[in-house]
Amino acid sequence: DAMVIQNPRYQVTQFGKPVTLSCSQTLNHNVMYWYQQKSSQAPKLLFHYYDKDFNNEADTPDNFQSRRPNTSFCFLDIRSPGLGDAAMYLCATSRGADKPGEQYFGPGTRLTVT
Amino acid sequence: AQKITQTQPGMFVQEKEAVTLDCTYDTSDQSYGLFWYKQPSSGEMIFLIYQGSYDEQNATEGRYSLNFQKARKSANLVISASQLGDSAMYFCAMSPLSSTLTFGKGTMLLVSP
Repeated sequence: DAMVIQNPRYQVTQFGKPVTLSCSQTLNHNVMYWYQQKSSQAPKLLFHYYDKDFNNEADTPDNFQSRRPNTSFCFLDIRSPGLGDAAMYLCATSRGADKPGEQYFGPGTRLTVT
Repeated sequence: AQKITQTQPGMFVQEKEAVTLDCTYDTSDQSYGLFWYKQPSSGEMIFLIYQGSYDEQNATEGRYSLNFQKARKSANLVISASQLGDSAMYFCAMSPLSSTLTFGKGTMLLVSP
């Protein structure tokens, strides 16, 4: 049974056209993360939510926003995608203070910007 | 700040043999966790194994074991009896307690028949 679900798996958007990626979890975990992973690179943390508390990484561009309306769902909004934003976007969850690094990842959404 | 170094961009191993993937780390934190993740070509990151900085025993999970040498700041992953399905990218990562993960650049493992 899928525990962290990401939709869509593949997304194509036009340069400058806003796009939203979604993530849902059935684990009831406190923390949800969004990572960006470019080809042959390590995942890069964009931001995370600890319950409703939003934590933005210092170098995450303003173009990236996130929403977490409830425990189960989290969204990544890219307001004006550029060609450099083409990447795999990974959502992950963890229980929180207890082993925060033990994260459960979704299958990712591969974003193409044309 | 934390830093993870994986010096092997790629590794080859024959099926049924053991392989060691290297990982060294740098941190000023006293308490932290070390992790290994597997990423097949499908893209999903799969948690493999965890080692706490105060754990005296090396972690093991099935065919995976973590060779933790705290004084040397190394946390190598050992995969025993390699299988074709083990071919993937492997990331070492660390997390201070109550904080977020820092990943290394990864090692691509190819298992040949």
